[in-house]
Amino acid sequence: EPEVTQTPSHQVTQMGQEVILRCVPISNHLYFYWYRQILGQKVEFLVSFYNNEISEKSEIFDDQFSVERPDGSNFTLKIRSTKLEDSAMYFCASSDYKGNEQYFGPGTRLTVT
Amino acid sequence: AQKITQTQPGMFVQEKEAVTLDCTYDTSDQSYGLFWYKQPSSGEMIFLIYQGSYDEQNATEGRYSLNFQKARKSANLVISASQLGDSAMYFCAMREGRGFKTIFGAGTRLFVKA
Repeated sequence: EPEVTQTPSHQVTQMGQEVILRCVPISNHLYFYWYRQILGQKVEFLVSFYNNEISEKSEIFDDQFSVERPDGSNFTLKIRSTKLEDSAMYFCASSDYKGNEQYFGPGTRLTVT
Repeated sequence: AQKITQTQPGMFVQEKEAVTLDCTYDTSDQSYGLFWYKQPSSGEMIFLIYQGSYDEQNATEGRYSLNFQKARKSANLVISASQLGDSAMYFCAMREGRGFKTIFGAGTRLFVKA
């Protein structure tokens, strides 16, 4: 069964550094998403991406964040100048054009020290 | 204002019994979608069920059904014949209009007792 994959599973970085979180969505899906979940809290929408551009973003997704689909398979989230409060689980998801079923990857746990 | 409200932070259910997890939502859109996800202790997010606002029938997927009451703006998840493996956090979520931004509730942690 096709699945969304994410790498790395755990990333530790120092405050102020840049990180890139990588995702490979399901191959025939058209919409891609990033969510984050701070430990013990709700899942928060960051951004959706379609046709090589951002379709929607939340207020969390400020200039510190960017997304890219550098090739036909990868979908990346870049976080510049990381802060302690960026520590969270980051989930990538993908869906077909209906968006009724968003399939989540296993997540990348980001720890900023 | 809260868009998705899950009022039960924790629920207990006896194995093999049914359990209802509550979810209410707030939207002024006529077109929206409602979702339930399961998050086991391992952390992954597992899609369970989807209900569109125009769907007249309640959605069902195996042991999961969504009790959709549009006038009350509620979308409760019913799990029948609970199993130990159902112990997890359950999130209700909503997508408004034609967009793809999905808003999640705070979740309900379900404990299934043997």
